[in-house]
Order: sequence, then C-alpha cells, then structure tokens
Amino acid sequence: GAGVSQSPRYKVAKRGQDVALRCDPISGHVSLFWYQQALGQGPEFLTYFQNEAQLDKSGLPSDRFFAERPEGSVSTLKIQRTQQEDSAVYLCASSLPGGEQFFGPGTRLTVL
Amino acid sequence: GDSVTQMEGPVTLSEEAFLTINCTYTATGYPSLFWYVQYPGEGLQLLLKATKADDKGSNKGFEATYRKETTSFHLEKGSVQVSDSAVYFCAPNSGGYNKLIFGAGTRLAVHP
Repeated sequence: GAGVSQSPRYKVAKRGQDVALRCDPISGHVSLFWYQQALGQGPEFLTYFQNEAQLDKSGLPSDRFFAERPEGSVSTLKIQRTQQEDSAVYLCASSLPGGEQFFGPGTRLTVL
Repeated sequence: GDSVTQMEGPVTLSEEAFLTINCTYTATGYPSLFWYVQYPGEGLQLLLKATKADDKGSNKGFEATYRKETTSFHLEKGSVQVSDSAVYFCAPNSGGYNKLIFGAGTRLAVHP
C-alpha cells in the first residue's frame, strides 16, 4: 500500500522567497506530524495535527512558519521569507492515534 | 524539557562484531521508547520499540531493553552485517499524542 509521500523532494529557494511543502499521509491516519532535520542532527518536532485541528505548534521556529491541514488529510507546511537557517530536510509522519509513526522521504530545502 | 543523549558516532565495526549504541533520556511521565533507523538514501523506519519498564524490543537481530531505573534504552546486536550500516536514532515519545524527541543520531559503518 501507499506510504507517506512528500513533494517536492528537493527545493532550492532564494533568500526571501516563500515556499510550500506538501505531505500526503497514509489514508485513514488522523495524526500528522511535521519535523525539521538539520544536517547531521536528529529530527526536531515542529507541529502536530489531529484530523484538521492543529493541536500543537510549539516547535515552529518563528511566525514565518505556518502549517495547515484543512480537510484532515493533505497537509502543507509554508515558510515565508525564507532564510539560510531554514535549510534542512522537512519530514512528515502520520499515524493512527497513539500508533507507530510512518515517515515520508522528506523534502530537502536549500536556501541560497 | 524532554531530551535524549546518544552515543556519538561514527561507530566503525568489522562484520560480525558486537554492537552497542548507548541512549539515555530525560522525560516527564512514562514514555514509550523507540529506535529508528535511516539507511542511506531512505526515510526513517521504526526498528523496534518498548512501551513499559523491563520490556525488550527486538527486530532484525537488534534488541533494546527499557530500563526505567537508569532511564536508558541501549541498542545491541550480537553480530552486525554490512547491510546494517545506517544512522540510528533513539527517541522517547512525549505528550498525550506521542510526538517523538530524537537524539542526534549515531552513524554506524560496518566493513567486510
């Protein structure tokens, strides 16, 4: 069956541009997480959705980061006015409530 | 806040050697504990987990035991293979919806 998919896989942005990263979770998974993984580091939690409700956004590093999941399925992570420190791999994971998190392949964002 | 300390890598071993990757954590409450693996060019995959004290998680010859008294979850394998070369992440969960707190990761390189 289909796993978690993310697009684009790679994104290069000039500093100051806005970007949008998409996550398609496993069908039926109500829980959706976004993580940020800097080079050589472990993933760090950004935000959590249960269906369409964003229950925790405590990990978003600044108000330039915004996430949504309007219909409780596909989610988009948007970064406004990108900065070089935003360069990282952005990972999406989905799960059943309390269940194993399944990760997508990630989107590698490079900000020049 | 919750945190994880993992053994620094890289760890370089010969095939069939014994592997230990240390992991200790600080967490409020009673987390479940996970080891994730990231093979070259692939996404994060769950390797094993344990949900309560003294539980032993195991998979693909790897084992880890939930030690509440020492807040540790060390990963072991009796005989590593070249195909085990990857980055390994220890992660307790946190909060009522199971967000993961990742360590920095330990890179394992196994040579023939």
